[in-house]
Amino acid sequence: ETGVTQTPRHLVMGMTNKKSLKCEQHLGHNAMYWYKQSAKKPLELMFVYSLEERVENNSVPSRFSPECPNSSHLFLHLHTLQPEDSALYLCASSQARDNTYEQYFGPGTRLTVT
Amino acid sequence: AQKITQTQPGMFVQEKEAVTLDCTYDTSDPSYGLFWYKQPSSGEMIFLIYQGSYDQQNATEGRYSLNFQKARKSANLVISASQLGDSAMYFCAMREDNNDMRFGAGTRLTVKP
Repeated sequence: ETGVTQTPRHLVMGMTNKKSLKCEQHLGHNAMYWYKQSAKKPLELMFVYSLEERVENNSVPSRFSPECPNSSHLFLHLHTLQPEDSALYLCASSQARDNTYEQYFGPGTRLTVT
Repeated sequence: AQKITQTQPGMFVQEKEAVTLDCTYDTSDPSYGLFWYKQPSSGEMIFLIYQGSYDQQNATEGRYSLNFQKARKSANLVISASQLGDSAMYFCAMREDNNDMRFGAGTRLTVKP
């Protein structure tokens, strides 16, 4: 039990669907992250929230839309995705955005876009 | 530019033996943190060990130790007394001040019985 949960664990969606990924952390952390992990590629940081404010968007396409309503919850809203968006999406949290703090990850959502 | 390099796509080790997973990094920032994560087939990334750039001693956590060679910009993970459950992907990561965490491509470790 890492203290970071993600739902759903698996998701299959068509290119015209709209779905949302949910992440919740029970660790009292102030920073939360979305990562994308594709086959044979390093983890790619997508979004960073610190104290519920978005501080970084690494040129992610607008078909991915994050939302952080409070410090414990993070969403990733998906719409009109492409097959190349199929990947494992990992949520993480850390005590603060500082290089001394490790990130704790959730189990991930394995997304398949058909 | 690639900041974290893991040159071993796959490694094999006999159960109960020690294994070293290589990691080199590139930074001009004097303050940074180095991390190792384990990712079993279930997908979850599990934090293993942390080394700060100013730490004088190598970090250790149970069977995990980090061989930190600052001048060589090397942060190898040593796993002692390997167990079957250690079979997984292992990722090295670095975080500089004012930058977010960057991950290497990973090393797949297989422990043989």
